[in-house]
Parts: sequence; C-alpha cells; structure tokens
Amino acid sequence: AQSVAQPEDQVNVAEGNPLTVKCTYSVSGNPYLFWYVQYPNRGLQFLLKYITGDNLVKGSYGFEAEFNKSQTSFHLKKPSALVSDSALYFCAVREKGYSSASKIIFGSGTRLSIRP
Amino acid sequence: DTGVSQDPRHKITKRGQNVTFRCDPISEHNRLYWYRQTLGQGPEFLTYFQNEAQLEKSRLLSDRFSAERPKGSFSTLEIQRTEQGDSAMYLCASSTGLADKTGELFFGEGSRLTVL
Repeated sequence: AQSVAQPEDQVNVAEGNPLTVKCTYSVSGNPYLFWYVQYPNRGLQFLLKYITGDNLVKGSYGFEAEFNKSQTSFHLKKPSALVSDSALYFCAVREKGYSSASKIIFGSGTRLSIRP
Repeated sequence: DTGVSQDPRHKITKRGQNVTFRCDPISEHNRLYWYRQTLGQGPEFLTYFQNEAQLEKSRLLSDRFSAERPKGSFSTLEIQRTEQGDSAMYLCASSTGLADKTGELFFGEGSRLTVL
C-alpha cells in the first residue's frame, strides 16, 4: 500500500533563512511525487511534481524539491524564506501506472511559519 | 475568477438532516473529484467523475453519501442523515485528463460542514 509521511507538524523559520519541509513515502513501484500548498482561506494549490528525470525539481514561488530514491524522500526546500510562504504544505504520492488522481495519497500536512 | 468554486462555504446542520454541496469546476476540465479533509489530516479521496460518469468511489463514501454530475459540468455531493462524524471540509477538485495523470489538480476553497 502507498503511504506518505510528513514527520513535522510545524516548521518555524526566520525570514531570509533557508527552509526544508520533510516528506518520506512508500510505494510498491516507482512514484509520482507532489507538493501542494494551502494558504489561509484558499484552496490547495499545486506547487511542483516529480515524474521522472532530474532529481531536483523546481516549482512555483521559488520552491524546489529533491527526489531521493534511496532514502524514499521528497523534501521541499527554498533558499530564502518569505513571510508570505507561511502556509500549510502537503506532500502527496501516487504509484506510476495509475492514470487517475484518485490514487494520490496525501500526507497529513506541515504548517510552515516564517517569522519576520 | 475562473477557478473551481464551491457552495456553500460553510454549513452548520443538526444531526439527522440532509445537506448538499455544489461544485463548479473549471469549464474545460472533464474530471472532477471530491475529497474530505479533517483537522490535522490531508485530503482523502471520496469519488470522481469523468464527464458525467462516476468512475470510482472510495470506501469512505458510505451509502448516506451520493454524488452526481448530471451534465458533465457542475457536481453535487449530498449527505443524508448527517452524523457528527461527517463534520469536515469537503473539497472539490478538477483537472484535464493529461493534468490528472500527472497529479495537477485544481482545488476549490472547500465547503466546511459542522454537524451539531
């Protein structure tokens, strides 16, 4: 069975510092991996995905994520945090071979708080 | 705004009452998804439609839940005889077939249900 874990409920970072939001996954085969962000009173927004190719993927708002197959991780990173990055971040996984987003499993979310 | 819209945004009801939520997807998107999100958890898949056909239902979707997408455009999610355990945020998402395969879902802001 597929699963995804976000070990930190909350991450606190000072503005201008680098940030990392952790995600590990478990699938039987090869994964599709995603990050979504949920700002207050807004719907979830797609941030970035790893499908194949380069292990470092770049997404919206200056975020990037690194796929590490040996560690089964897909951590979200940003070199310099902004207060406006404060939001709830969800990692998600789906096993390749499925053609529907119904098979996407979401993590429990990590609340990112950036202090000025 | 041409994004996914959901109505109502908030619904408070008494146990045993019926409630209905509506979702209007992005107009060119043929796939529509319903998810449930409880506090501290990520979205959990309930059901999805391709055009007007309901292609998959989760085990979470008990027989008190019914969803329709009669003309392949908007969708409704009805919960009959509500229970306190139904209290959650109900999310709607839409996508094209291609974006769906790569996990790029477009979410609405959600309909929050509180059952007293």
